[in-house]
Amino acid sequence: EAQVTQNPRYLITVTGKKLTVTCSQNMNHEYMSWYRQDPGLGLRQIYYSMNVEVTDKGDVPEGYKVSRKEKRNFPLILESPSPNQTSLYFCASSPYTGEYNSPLHFGNGTRLTVT
Amino acid sequence: AQSVTQLDSQVPVFEEAPVELRCNYSSSVSVYLFWYVQYPNQGLQLLLKYLSGSTLVKGINGFEAEFNKSQTSFHLRKPSVHISDTAEYFCAVIRMDSSYKLIFGSGTRLLVRP
Repeated sequence: EAQVTQNPRYLITVTGKKLTVTCSQNMNHEYMSWYRQDPGLGLRQIYYSMNVEVTDKGDVPEGYKVSRKEKRNFPLILESPSPNQTSLYFCASSPYTGEYNSPLHFGNGTRLTVT
Repeated sequence: AQSVTQLDSQVPVFEEAPVELRCNYSSSVSVYLFWYVQYPNQGLQLLLKYLSGSTLVKGINGFEAEFNKSQTSFHLRKPSVHISDTAEYFCAVIRMDSSYKLIFGSGTRLLVRP
């Protein structure tokens, strides 16, 4: 089954404790992206990647890191989480190779709480 | 800069009633338009998209949307809703002249009551 898999689904952590949220897709998609969803703000892009070893900042990259060493994986790293990073996070992928109408395929989300 | 506005944060309706979820956008260039749906505890799924051609676009689950260039709107409609349509709906745009980047609205929660 074609899917985007995020882990974990739920995560509670404390301020300053490094964490990684994994994202993997099995559709051989070039494009991958991370979003955070907050009430009243919709989805905001954190980072995106057009291909292996190519990553770029989205609208809200501060406090996050990503890597794209393999095509299928795009982990999100919080080196020193803070309470304002408490949010619902989504990973998405797309077959985009120049056609803007390529749809995004989303994972089921990771709900992160930082205390 | 482009932006997407969904004025209604929540829309309650009774089952089998019609519904319209509003979306307005602003952009200095032409855009592609999308509606995504998010069911509880799930990621977003593409509902429909407008790229070009007919301004009335039909999507999955009986939804449709109409692109109105003069009013810069892309409202989502369904003539008769079901309980299972309860979800959050997001309007999104991509500029035709820039990188592949979706700008999302803040979302509208559709609450269908029996």
